[in-house]
Amino acid sequence: LAKTTQPISMDSYEGQEVNITCSHNNIATNDYITWYQQFPSQGPRFIIQGYKTKVTNEVASLFIPADRKSSTLSLPRVSLSDTAVYYCLVGRNTGTASKLTFGTGTRLQVTL
Amino acid sequence: DVKVTQSSRYLVKRTGEKVFLECVQDMDHENMFWYRQDPGLGLRLIYFSYDVKMKEKGDIPEGYSVSREKKERFSLILESASTNQTSMYLCASRQQGTIANTQYFGPGTRLTVL
Repeated sequence: LAKTTQPISMDSYEGQEVNITCSHNNIATNDYITWYQQFPSQGPRFIIQGYKTKVTNEVASLFIPADRKSSTLSLPRVSLSDTAVYYCLVGRNTGTASKLTFGTGTRLQVTL
Repeated sequence: DVKVTQSSRYLVKRTGEKVFLECVQDMDHENMFWYRQDPGLGLRLIYFSYDVKMKEKGDIPEGYSVSREKKERFSLILESASTNQTSMYLCASRQQGTIANTQYFGPGTRLTVL
């Protein structure tokens, strides 16, 4: 699995746009980039996934440059309820027991 | 929307008890996983099931067993609970054959063994 590096923590005010960048310099050709969100005492929740360029859904946008060595999760107009840990994962399904490897993630704190 | 449910959010058991954790998914996914999550250790895979009655050991299977009698249900069994099995247990499911390895998680069960 490609190693990822992301900031340990970020702070934001409610209503601001938040961008969390993840570095993955040794991403492989067939790897996908996936972001999960986890609230305390809950399971990780899939947010968004992409392979290249830009992906947008109702929750977030994911920007992936042409070299794919980094990616940016963009959360528009965050609210207090977006306070959570955000994990960036890079990989692909290599077989039956392909497990997910979560790093320490980015702890986002949103305040008024 | 994929929905993965777990039988209990919080569970307190005594050392030596047999513990059953149940997981149900409603998206007809072939693959199901059991992880435990501990501070500083991230997620660790306990067992994986790629289809009904099929299972594979993960990284830390000792002290655990699993059962998959129906496609939608995957059970984790602690044969004789010990205090070092106090943890957050997470179940996940995945559609077979997807390239991207996207897994969908349940809400988790926080187990305390006294």
